[in-house]
Amino acid sequence: AQSVTQLGSHVSVSEGALVLLRCNYSSSVPPYLFWYVQYPNQGLQLLLKYTSAATLVKGINGFEAEFKKSETSFHLTKPSAHMSDAAEYFCAVKNTGGFKTIFGAGTRLFVKA
Amino acid sequence: DTAVSQTPKYLVTQMGNDKSIKCEQNLGHDTMYWYKQDSKKFLKIMFSYNNKELIINETVPNRFSPKSPDKAHLNLHINSLELGDSAVYFCASSRGQGDYEQYFGPGTRLTVT
Repeated sequence: AQSVTQLGSHVSVSEGALVLLRCNYSSSVPPYLFWYVQYPNQGLQLLLKYTSAATLVKGINGFEAEFKKSETSFHLTKPSAHMSDAAEYFCAVKNTGGFKTIFGAGTRLFVKA
Repeated sequence: DTAVSQTPKYLVTQMGNDKSIKCEQNLGHDTMYWYKQDSKKFLKIMFSYNNKELIINETVPNRFSPKSPDKAHLNLHINSLELGDSAVYFCASSRGQGDYEQYFGPGTRLTVT
């Protein structure tokens, strides 16, 4: 069975600083991995996804994530935080051939001026 | 044009009542989902339909019953509402199984008093 662990329920950064949101997964087969963002009172939107092509995946709004099989990680980064990045971020995993996507517990990103 | 829409956006009702939430997607997707997001933002899959066939039926009280009249619609009916049913319910859709991302609706905030 697959699972996702997001380290840190809350992360606070200053505007212009590096954003690093951590995600570790567990999967018995090669996984598909996703990062979604949820702004207040909205549904989730896809930021980026890994589907066994390039291990460094670029997404929208300047975010990227790197798939590291040896570390079973898929951390999300952005070089320079913007106030508009403040939101809830969810890492998700899906087994190849599976029906179900499992979401992590989410990390709330705060951006300080 | 809204890709995935849900009605109503807010639903306030008393314990014991029966209510329905409707979802429609205009993306031509084959797969639709219902998720429950609790007050701590934890997102849990409830049901999924692929081409009108139920493919995911998680451990959910049988007071919850999904219905998919066609590929573009997935409704959720809840009988005998309880306080613990208070949450935000999200509908989502995807092109199919595999590595496809999900597109989420804006959510329905259900409050049971």
